[in-house]
Amino acid sequence: AQTVTQSQPEMSVQEAETVTLSCTYDTSESDYYLFWYKQPPSRQMILVIRQEAYKQQNATENRFSVNFQKAAKSFSLKISDSQLGDAAMYFCARGGAGSYQLTFGKGTKLSVIP
Amino acid sequence: DAGITQSPRHKVTETGTPVTLRCHQTENHRYMYWYRQDPGHGLRLIHYSYGVKDTDKGEVSDGYSVSRSKTEDFLLTLESATSSQTSVYFCAISGDSGGTGETQYFGPGTRLLVL
Repeated sequence: AQTVTQSQPEMSVQEAETVTLSCTYDTSESDYYLFWYKQPPSRQMILVIRQEAYKQQNATENRFSVNFQKAAKSFSLKISDSQLGDAAMYFCARGGAGSYQLTFGKGTKLSVIP
Repeated sequence: DAGITQSPRHKVTETGTPVTLRCHQTENHRYMYWYRQDPGHGLRLIHYSYGVKDTDKGEVSDGYSVSRSKTEDFLLTLESATSSQTSVYFCAISGDSGGTGETQYFGPGTRLLVL
């Protein structure tokens, strides 16, 4: 089975600081997509950022950016200027170009310290 | 936010009873999905639909069935609920580009407790 691994079950960051969440994945495909979702205590799954594997350029969305290393099959999320509202579970997910299934990691719980 | 609602939002039921969860979308998206979320497992796909009356199994489909008679509604049925089906269930939708190249948007979730 192709897997997505988030090696940090929990992390914490000081408010206004920067934190990086790690994700590695397994795939035999050359064309695929990667996502980071945020799940706050409300349980709503919110898309944070998306990366197409065929694009060299790392995706960015305001304070959120990724470091996509295709050869290493690594897809880390960097949160800059952390805010209290960033506290949540973060899930990394991989989707294949020809597949309907998203494969999720087990999540990283991020705490933001005021 | 994508227009996705799930009903009920919370349900307590007894082992052996049938349960139906409903997902309703107002986005006219072609693809709909049911996931379950359990501690230590992330989200896992149960079933998905790629059109009206077109459905297929996901990773953890045993004990579940689905139906889609209209574009906007996707039903998940537990024919005879078991305690192992206690979970949080999420519906998701994605647009016409299909597959998982298209981003999936999630509903608010349904918390199901099977006693």
